[in-house]
Amino acid sequence: QSALTQPPSASGSPGQSVTISCTGASSDVGNYNYVSWYQQHPGKAPKLMIYEVSKRPSGVPDRFSGSKSGNTASLTVSGLQAEDEADYYCNSYAGSNTVVFGGGTKLTVL
Amino acid sequence: EVQLVESGGGLVQPGRSLRLSCAASGFTLGNYAMHWVRQAPGKGLEWVSGINWNSGSIGYADSVKGRFTISRDNAKNSLYLQTSSLKTEDTALYYCAKEVGTTAGGRLEYWGQGTLVTVSS
Repeated sequence: QSALTQPPSASGSPGQSVTISCTGASSDVGNYNYVSWYQQHPGKAPKLMIYEVSKRPSGVPDRFSGSKSGNTASLTVSGLQAEDEADYYCNSYAGSNTVVFGGGTKLTVL
Repeated sequence: EVQLVESGGGLVQPGRSLRLSCAASGFTLGNYAMHWVRQAPGKGLEWVSGINWNSGSIGYADSVKGRFTISRDNAKNSLYLQTSSLKTEDTALYYCAKEVGTTAGGRLEYWGQGTLVTVSS
């Protein structure tokens, strides 16, 4: 169970787009379409933003989108807003009833 | 409204045990898989354990396998995590989370506010 790899930080100006990557292996991200993304503001519980690679839960703005290619999944935030500044985590089903998270990416809105 | 309320955390000495509970409301627990996820102070999220809707499929992180046991009581709308042989590195905020569906695929739709476990002598 190796953690998924995310860049420690990402940034963009208001209105711009930013993409955060999440790299796993053929045993997790590459083998299952069960990749999810979470947003966590300081002192708060995580919030589901994307599940099953590209599905958005009700209430999540369509500025958030997800995709996957091979062993790497990506979260794109378009039209950056100040409230998007937060930590973002990906996770993936990894087989045998296990799940693995990425290390997290701190998104800064400049 | 979906609500998940964790309890049972506290200060415990290394080697001891704690039983964490998660009270669910606003939905039928028996229709969903559930998970425990932890976050050490200032660190990232770590998946701990997951259980499908009828307890037929259970998984654990390598870091807790053999020491932690997840269980559920659908009639009582409750999820549990029995922890034993606690180590200082188990110190974390433990979250209970509801899966999108019946299988434990890691799609964590709702989260509680967490219960803090501190392992220290």
